[in-house]
Amino acid sequence: QQQVKQSPQSLIVQKGGISIINCAYENTAFDYFPWYQQFPGKGPALLIAIRPDVSEKKEGRFTISFNKSAKQFSLHIMDSQPGDSATYFCAALLNSGYALNFGKGTSLLVTP
Amino acid sequence: SAVISQKPSRDICQRGTSLTIQCQVDSQVTMMFWYRQQPGQSLTLIATANQGSEATYESGFVIDKFPISRPNLTFSTLTVSNMSPEDSSIYLCSVVTGVNQPQHFGDGTRLSIL
Repeated sequence: QQQVKQSPQSLIVQKGGISIINCAYENTAFDYFPWYQQFPGKGPALLIAIRPDVSEKKEGRFTISFNKSAKQFSLHIMDSQPGDSATYFCAALLNSGYALNFGKGTSLLVTP
Repeated sequence: SAVISQKPSRDICQRGTSLTIQCQVDSQVTMMFWYRQQPGQSLTLIATANQGSEATYESGFVIDKFPISRPNLTFSTLTVSNMSPEDSSIYLCSVVTGVNQPQHFGDGTRLSIL
């Protein structure tokens, strides 16, 4: 059973546009929400993460928005670049554990 | 973050054989995990590799099929036993370096079974 639901499955954005990927969860015991970026032939790399005590976290062009009451969080990529083309996974971690629960992934293509 | 090396990076194996994948970290880590990522799919946790004791397996994964060792705080192996084409996947090692630290992944082993 998928504990973290991610959408869309794929996304095409023009260079300079905003890419938005959404995730939702049910288990209120999750307390750490990372996003991973994966390029072909590579392992997932941690991009940015948030805890539920804040509603937004920004690192450069990447922003996580977190809505605790709705149990949703999203990744915004501002000024999207062709080099951002990759698969993005959201994940959630229980406050008592180490094992990540991953969404199904979003394949992002940024066109020139 | 820790540097994680996995060997082999890829392999093509015959049905019925076994392959051992190694994961080496350049520093001592708290936790080590093994994931499977089937083509175009998300990551599924196989097991937590426990140092000096038996691994903790997730539902659907068993020790006879995926024996795991972790002899020290920097090294672990995953064996995929009696392989079938359904085992064709990317197998990824990940580590946590300490409490409240994020999880980092190796680049994986791409395994194809003929």
